[in-house]
Amino acid sequence: SQQGEEDPQALSIQEGENATMNCSYKTSINNLQWYRQNSGRGLVHLILIRSNEREKHSGRLRVTLDTSKKSSSLLITASRAADTASYFCATGRGGSYIPTFGRGTSLIVHP
Amino acid sequence: DVKVTQSSRYLVKRTGEKVFLECVQDMDHENMFWYRQDPGLGLRLIYFSYDVKMKEKGDIPEGYSVSREKKERFSLILESASTNQTSMYLCASSPGQGSTYEQYFGPGTRLTVT
Repeated sequence: SQQGEEDPQALSIQEGENATMNCSYKTSINNLQWYRQNSGRGLVHLILIRSNEREKHSGRLRVTLDTSKKSSSLLITASRAADTASYFCATGRGGSYIPTFGRGTSLIVHP
Repeated sequence: DVKVTQSSRYLVKRTGEKVFLECVQDMDHENMFWYRQDPGLGLRLIYFSYDVKMKEKGDIPEGYSVSREKKERFSLILESASTNQTSMYLCASSPGQGSTYEQYFGPGTRLTVT
């Protein structure tokens, strides 16, 4: 069963703009991760945020987590054509080491 | 760097054939996973293993089996391939329980069953 749901399903922007993707989930979590998948390839881990954290940065990525709203957002600043990919959130629950993936947001960055 | 490799990038098999998908990781990870990915459905967990010779069913195990005889290798077996098993198959590994839960993925195998 899928826990996280990304929004929007698809996003198209120009190079240099910021891209924001959101993830909502239903039950309480102990961490949330974001992954990127380039077309036809495996997923690559981007960032993990724990339930007691509110914001985390990694290079041009900024992730926020609002456990009261059961939602997270991924912001990519100054996007590049190479950021074109699908982005997935994955939630970790309780003592489980198995994240549950959402359906993903497809991001296209036009040069 | 962690490396997860899968035996084939593309595979075409006939209905009824037995199909083996192999996955190898080189970071001594305890946990290994098999997912399938279909458009609009995201990643769905087929089977996972938390130790050698141990396996657990995921969300969609029907029509599949797995084998983990060595820590670094996790095989997915389609006993009798069917057209509805045409999909992208992704293998992943992660360190043991109590760690950060980050998963490392292989490049995927696109399987077509005709």
